[in-house]
Amino acid sequence: AQSVTQPDIHITVSEGASLELRCNYSYGATPYLFWYVQSPGQGLQLLLKYFSGDTLVQGIKGFEADFKRSHSSFNLRKPSVHWSDAAEYFCAVGVRAGKSTFGDGTTLTVKP
Amino acid sequence: EAGVTQFPSHSVIEKGQTVTLRCDPISGHDNLYWYRRVMGKEIKFLLHFVKESKQDESGMPNNRFLAERTGGTYSTLKVQPAELEDSGVYFCASSSRDRAFYGYTFGSGTRLTVV
Repeated sequence: AQSVTQPDIHITVSEGASLELRCNYSYGATPYLFWYVQSPGQGLQLLLKYFSGDTLVQGIKGFEADFKRSHSSFNLRKPSVHWSDAAEYFCAVGVRAGKSTFGDGTTLTVKP
Repeated sequence: EAGVTQFPSHSVIEKGQTVTLRCDPISGHDNLYWYRRVMGKEIKFLLHFVKESKQDESGMPNNRFLAERTGGTYSTLKVQPAELEDSGVYFCASSSRDRAFYGYTFGSGTRLTVV
């Protein structure tokens, strides 16, 4: 069975600081991995995805993620956080067009 | 292109009543999914339509939940009768057949409160 763990429920960073959100997955085959963001009152928006190829994936809004098969991890990073990045972030693992399994989410607070 | 639309955005009903949630996917998207998030926990899969057919309904919690997608366009999710534990946010998502591996486009969700 597939599963996703986001170890950090809540993270606070200062504006301009770097960010790393952790994600560990369990999946029996090569996974499709995703990061989504949900801003208050909004739906989930896809930040980036990994299926194959280069293990460093670039996404929207300046985010990137690093796929490490040996660690079963897919951590999300951003070099410099903006106040508008405050939101809840979800890591997900799934099959191509089927269901995805989501983590519990990490809430990001940005201090001025 | 227009996004995934869900309504109502909020619904408050009493235990034992019936509620119907609606989802309009992006036009032309054959894949339609329902997910829900209960009590701030993880987002859980409910079911997956390909056009009007149920491809995977393994996440439907019990027979009080009925999902339909007549004509392969919009979908409804009916809860009858509603119980307190059904409270949560219900998300709909869609993806196209040929771009399915690009991930989902989600709607803003319906927040259901059963009192």
